[in-house]
Amino acid sequence: GAVVSQHPSWVICKSGTSVKIECRSLDFQATTMFWYRQFPKQSLMLMATSNEGSKATYEQGVEKDKFLINHASLTLSTLTVTSAHPEDSSFYICSARGSSYEQYFGPGTRLTVT
Amino acid sequence: QKEVEQDPGPLSVPEGAIVSLNCTYSNSAFQYFMWYRQYSRKGPELLMYTYSSGNKEDGRFTAQVDKSSKYISLFIRDSQPSDSATYLCAFLTGANSKLTFGKGITLSVRP
Repeated sequence: GAVVSQHPSWVICKSGTSVKIECRSLDFQATTMFWYRQFPKQSLMLMATSNEGSKATYEQGVEKDKFLINHASLTLSTLTVTSAHPEDSSFYICSARGSSYEQYFGPGTRLTVT
Repeated sequence: QKEVEQDPGPLSVPEGAIVSLNCTYSNSAFQYFMWYRQYSRKGPELLMYTYSSGNKEDGRFTAQVDKSSKYISLFIRDSQPSDSATYLCAFLTGANSKLTFGKGITLSVRP
């Protein structure tokens, strides 16, 4: 299957700072990328959908000014958590879709805000 | 009625057992059917995907789709401890739509 990477895999930051998470499709061009967050023992919650070169579409209840998404190229999308607070601590996972319907997920990024 | 229902589990089986995981759905618009496996603290891994009714086999895994009855199943033969993970069924209404997930079932295969 296709490979999606995320960086960093784990990040700790102080409350009030911003954190950027990168998502890359390594062996295919991702026309669409998705960002999810997952709390322990819960299913994935879609935060936003981004298409290359377009503004991201956010799910209801997700603050777009807090979670900035940039899909600058067909292989890279970034999620920036601005002014992070402890309640933003979570597991963030991206997925990517190429020319077909299958979605491939990255390994996830664990964010801890102290 | 929920759009997707998946047995909540958890499920514990001995090594070598045949495992059957099931999801039912109510949305007739679902056209694409997938199973993901997620290990603890990792992203989901796409195991099986199909858009047609019937069976699809890949090694020890068989995905079954019955559109008329609106259920999908994943069978794991000769289960191994390495199969211990959470399994999520997932659906798409169209190739460009958002995934709808089941809640996931945690499988434990005992050595």
